[in-house]
Amino acid sequence: EAGVAQSPRYKIIEKRQSVAFWCNPISGHATLYWYQQILGQGPKLLIQFQNNGVVDDSQLPKDRFSAERLKGVDSTLKIQPAKLEDSAVYLCASSLGGKLFFGSGTQLSVL
Amino acid sequence: KNEVEQSPQNLTAQEGEFITINCSYSVGISALHWLQQHPGGGIVSLFMLSSGKKKHGRLIATINIQEKHSSLHITASHPRDSAVYICAVRSRNNDMRFGAGTRLTVKP
Repeated sequence: EAGVAQSPRYKIIEKRQSVAFWCNPISGHATLYWYQQILGQGPKLLIQFQNNGVVDDSQLPKDRFSAERLKGVDSTLKIQPAKLEDSAVYLCASSLGGKLFFGSGTQLSVL
Repeated sequence: KNEVEQSPQNLTAQEGEFITINCSYSVGISALHWLQQHPGGGIVSLFMLSSGKKKHGRLIATINIQEKHSSLHITASHPRDSAVYICAVRSRNNDMRFGAGTRLTVKP
């Protein structure tokens, strides 16, 4: 069974630039999560989708972060413009029956 | 205060030792997850618990709902168990909250 796919694996940008991450969840998983994990900390939920609807985006910095899951399958997370403190690993996860499956993450460095 | 607290933050053990990692939480939950994160960032779900105890190989996870506490045990630890172990809870609102993780190093 294919896992959760994320790309790119690494991204280096300068502050004030824009960046986008892509996630393809496991087929049939209706729930998709985006997490931000800063070095040395546990993951922090940014946004949760159920199919193509947003369930929870209370911790998403909406002035610069946006996410969409238009067809209820793939999802993109965008940061525009990026700040130094956005340097982190961005993890995508999908869920079926409550069990979580994580992608490998995108490591973002903002210089 | 974080909603999910783990201890210890760092743990170093000799190969073969019995290891315990603790997790306490302050919110009502529908499930608790133990996750393993290897260097490079990949995260694997080890257990999902809502009550009692689960065992998978050398790993055992327990949860006490009344005390809002869970433990992850590793028997006969091995260097390949070296990783960050993360406790995560699914609240009754269906959102996920994570502990900061316990970094385990098992020396040969």
